[in-house]
Amino acid sequence: ETGVTQTPRHLVMGMTNKKSLKCEQHLGHNAMYWYKQSAKKPLELMFVYNFKEQTENNSVPSRFSPECPNSSHLFLHLHTLQPEDSALYLCASSQVGGSGYNEQFFGPGTRLTVL
Amino acid sequence: GENVEQHPSTLSVQEGDSAVIKCTYSDSASNYFPWYKQELGKGPQLIIDIRSNVGEKKDQRIAVTLNKTAKHFSLHITETQPEDSAVYFCAASNGFGNEKLTFGTGTRLTIIP
Repeated sequence: ETGVTQTPRHLVMGMTNKKSLKCEQHLGHNAMYWYKQSAKKPLELMFVYNFKEQTENNSVPSRFSPECPNSSHLFLHLHTLQPEDSALYLCASSQVGGSGYNEQFFGPGTRLTVL
Repeated sequence: GENVEQHPSTLSVQEGDSAVIKCTYSDSASNYFPWYKQELGKGPQLIIDIRSNVGEKKDQRIAVTLNKTAKHFSLHITETQPEDSAVYFCAASNGFGNEKLTFGTGTRLTIIP
């Protein structure tokens, strides 16, 4: 186990549904990330939170809405998604600063299917 | 921004032989290069990393080499075993507080028993 948990592991939703993905890290890190992993594409960074503040929004459509209530929890709220949003959504955390190198630890991901 | 290219996209190796995966990067300011292994149904896991002040790092059967002049780095797995079968990703980052990792497209490694 990496110390990063994600729920649910699998999610099927219709295009009109609203759902949320949850991530929790038990590593005492100060930065958390959402990535999208689609087949035959590099991992796509979606959002970065550093000390609960969003520091990166990688041109993600507004139908994805992140929330970081504290440095241990990260949510991704989903609404009116499209079938092309079906993918594996990965959460990661790291300790930014200190040694200066960004070792990211990933959760197992949520496999999302949009019908 | 940084661009990382990874080759090959698939690699099949006889058990016991060596496997090599190569990556190139574009940003000469990048100074941190991790490698991740992703098994089926799991998230990527860091297996080894190298920082720009060294040219090679080894951890048991895996090693990573870095050529800063040519801007490429490679993962070497020796004495491959069936459990080495997975997708491997390289990444690059300009460290020192930069949160962004730029990933390669991945290499699916299959070890043939």
